[in-house]
Amino acid sequence: GENVEQHPSTLSVQEGDSAVIKCTYSDSASNYFPWYKQELGKRPQLIIDIRSNVGEKKDQRIAVTLNKTAKHFSLHITETQPEDSAVYFCAASRVSSYKLIFGSGTRLLVRP
Amino acid sequence: KAGVTQTPRYLIKTRGQQVTLSCSPISGHRSVSWYQQTPGQGLQFLFEYFSETQRNKGNFPGRFSGRQFSNSRSEMNVSTLELGDSALYLCASSLGMEGWMGEQYFGPGTRLTVT
Repeated sequence: GENVEQHPSTLSVQEGDSAVIKCTYSDSASNYFPWYKQELGKRPQLIIDIRSNVGEKKDQRIAVTLNKTAKHFSLHITETQPEDSAVYFCAASRVSSYKLIFGSGTRLLVRP
Repeated sequence: KAGVTQTPRYLIKTRGQQVTLSCSPISGHRSVSWYQQTPGQGLQFLFEYFSETQRNKGNFPGRFSGRQFSNSRSEMNVSTLELGDSALYLCASSLGMEGWMGEQYFGPGTRLTVT
């Protein structure tokens, strides 16, 4: 069935360093890949997304890359700040399926 | 624009009871999706509605049901509650269109505790 695997489950970095979170999806027909950030006790927030016709997308300090052949995509956060500390979820969707399949989440801790 | 709202924010129910949760989407959004979030299973898709029609359903028992009204507001119902139904129930709204639900924006969730 459809599955998204996300690694690592926890990630601790020093402020100013980069963080990379990786996801692998099983449904080769997936063509939409959003990333969500969820702070403790708050709702998931869409931070960036990418469609399958694009290999990379950037928005200030965050970027997402997609490798359709290998069926994996990654979130890159540069110059991390303490406020980046949160749980990050990747998701994949076959657009016409009308649903998101989420990864298990990565807890990112940015140490001051 | 106001964000997605969910009511109630917290609920405590007893096993065997039923519960109804409500979601009001962002103005202009016509698609509403529901997800269950638990520490063990993560975020799992329940169902998606667009123009009062369910377009997809996740792998949950028939005790979980939903509906959408003509103003795009949505409700989900869980009957015969079990302890394992304790979770944060999140709804997400998106513009919605034929062939795609659009970028999803989440509400704050309803924390359901079953005792």
